[in-house]
Amino acid sequence: GAVVSQHPSRVICKSGTSVKIECRSLDFQATTMFWYRQFPKQSLMLMATSNEGSKATYEQGVEKDKFLINHASLTLSTLTVTSAHPEDSSFYICSARPAGGRETQYFGPGTRLLVL
Amino acid sequence: GNSVTQMEGPVTLSEEAFLTINCTYTATGYPSLFWYVQYPGEGLQLLLKATKADDKGSNKGFEATYRKETTSFHLEKGSVQVSDSAVYFCALASSAGGTSYGKLTFGQGTILTVHP
Repeated sequence: GAVVSQHPSRVICKSGTSVKIECRSLDFQATTMFWYRQFPKQSLMLMATSNEGSKATYEQGVEKDKFLINHASLTLSTLTVTSAHPEDSSFYICSARPAGGRETQYFGPGTRLLVL
Repeated sequence: GNSVTQMEGPVTLSEEAFLTINCTYTATGYPSLFWYVQYPGEGLQLLLKATKADDKGSNKGFEATYRKETTSFHLEKGSVQVSDSAVYFCALASSAGGTSYGKLTFGQGTILTVHP
């Protein structure tokens, strides 16, 4: 149980285009989902916290107009990287916290984004 | 704010050797503590957790004890295998209320390589 999927697993796009990444909790409902960014050989950096039915809460320094987050249902959150640039190339990982759960988060397998 | 510090890697061991990866933390309140493991190209998997002082988390031969007096949560395994090669992250979950509740703060990660 507690499986989280991400789609796509990897994507290559041209500079200036937008890319949407989906995060789904497959066998549980998640009132809260988190989006992280991980640079090579570095730790995870929390970008934003997404709550179902409300606006996402962004961490300091993260541009909310560039990284659009939508949490439309209890099993789906999306991250859209708008007008992507090469510096946005990274590994994006989502996690989901079960409804009624405490601190445990379950992580997706990640999405590798390469912007040319 | 909260922070997590892990021992610097990489750590290279021979199969069946004893493993210790040190982790110390700084936090307000009473955080929960976690160890996550990341295999190459994948997302994070929860390895073990402890939610209060003196709790011991264990899984797959790995153990860690929540030591409030030393603010530590060191990861240990008595006999490592080649399949344990991965990146290990220590993390804490905020016990603060509001939008900070449950947010994970990660250490920088420790790369473990186990040779046959």
